[in-house]
Amino acid sequence: DGGITQSPKYLFRKEGQNVTLSCEQNLNHDAMYWYRQDPGQGLRLIYYSQIVNDFQKGDIAEGYSVSREKKESFPLTVTSAQKNPTAFYLCASTYRGERTQYFGPGTRLTVL
Amino acid sequence: AQSVTQLGSHVSVSEGALVLLRCNYSSSVPPYLFWYVQYPNQGLQLLLKYTSAATLVKGINGFEAEFKKSETSFHLTKPSAHMSDAAEYFCAVIGDAGGTSYGKLTFGQGTILTVHP
Repeated sequence: DGGITQSPKYLFRKEGQNVTLSCEQNLNHDAMYWYRQDPGQGLRLIYYSQIVNDFQKGDIAEGYSVSREKKESFPLTVTSAQKNPTAFYLCASTYRGERTQYFGPGTRLTVL
Repeated sequence: AQSVTQLGSHVSVSEGALVLLRCNYSSSVPPYLFWYVQYPNQGLQLLLKYTSAATLVKGINGFEAEFKKSETSFHLTKPSAHMSDAAEYFCAVIGDAGGTSYGKLTFGQGTILTVHP
């Protein structure tokens, strides 16, 4: 089945540690996105990538990093510089030029 | 510039009653509008979208929305609520930047729908 997968579903991290969230899609989509969701704040864009080896900062990129070495994969690293990393993280993808974004199941990150 | 306002962070209805979730938008270019639904600890699922074709858009699970340019609104409705409709709903807008250029998807704050038996 085609779709977007995110792993792990739940992730716990100690303060000061970097952690990487996985996002993979087999839809042959060109563009991929990372959003952060906090209660009552909707979704906020962290990073996006329209093509391999290229990505742009979104509205809240500080403390995060990404890579896009393969079309299918867009991992997000939450660094120790992110002051409040506990949140629900959602990955999305779409064809370049298409407006409709499709979402993965999400990863809930908790910093202990 | 674009923005979305969802009126009411919580809406409560009885099973079988009309569901009305309000969404107003602003956009400096012709908008594409979306409604997504999210169940607890899950990703967002597309309910329906407006892409400048018919102003009345029908989606999944019996939902529909009407694009009203004069009111800059895109309210979501369902004639008869079901217990399984309980979830959080997000309205989103993206400007039609044209061609393959990237247009940012902007979300509202979300509305939690509760359905009472």
